[in-house]
Amino acid sequence: DSGVTQTPKHLITATGQRVTLRCSPRSGDLSVYWYQQSLDQGLQFLIQYYNGEERAKGNILERFSAQQFPDLHSELNLSSLELGDSALYFCASRLDPMNTGELFFGEGSRLTVL
Amino acid sequence: AQSVTQLGSHVSVSEGALVLLRCNYSSSVPPYLFWYVQYPNQGLQLLLKYTTGATLVKGINGFEAEFKKSETSFHLTKPSAHMSDAAEYFCAVSSASGGSYIPTFGRGTSLIVHP
Repeated sequence: DSGVTQTPKHLITATGQRVTLRCSPRSGDLSVYWYQQSLDQGLQFLIQYYNGEERAKGNILERFSAQQFPDLHSELNLSSLELGDSALYFCASRLDPMNTGELFFGEGSRLTVL
Repeated sequence: AQSVTQLGSHVSVSEGALVLLRCNYSSSVPPYLFWYVQYPNQGLQLLLKYTTGATLVKGINGFEAEFKKSETSFHLTKPSAHMSDAAEYFCAVSSASGGSYIPTFGRGTSLIVHP
């Protein structure tokens, strides 16, 4: 158990809909990362937050947004969903952005868009 | 910019045989290198990491990797495969960019272990 909690574990929805994925980081970790894992793209970095502030942005679509709340949990919002958004979305955390150690990953939220 | 190339999307070995998973990286600054393992329906777990110092790094479950700067490689090895090693393995490189270390992952290599 990494200590990172993600909900929901599975989500099935239709095209055009909006969903919210939630992540609670490991106790004491201030930095949260979101990754998307798909068969054709592999593991892609989406966005990073540190202590409530956006710190780095990767290949995140404009239809996607995220935030980190004062209690340090984070949410990834996906809107106007398309079939191609079907993927496994991982949240990971570490103490701070300049820590060179490992990321601790949650078990992921599997999104299926029909 | 940094990138990772994992050679071979699938590697198949017999139980007891040597495991070799290849990883080459590209980084404009000294990198930090990682191998993660992903078991079915689970998140990624760290196997081992190279930050500084000794270039031969030992990890969990008998795995080790050697950082070779001249070859820009960080191949993962295990002398004797076990059935429980069957999983997806990801190599990652991380270097400082804009005040953060953001790991970039390879596409992954699926290790298949035959009895």
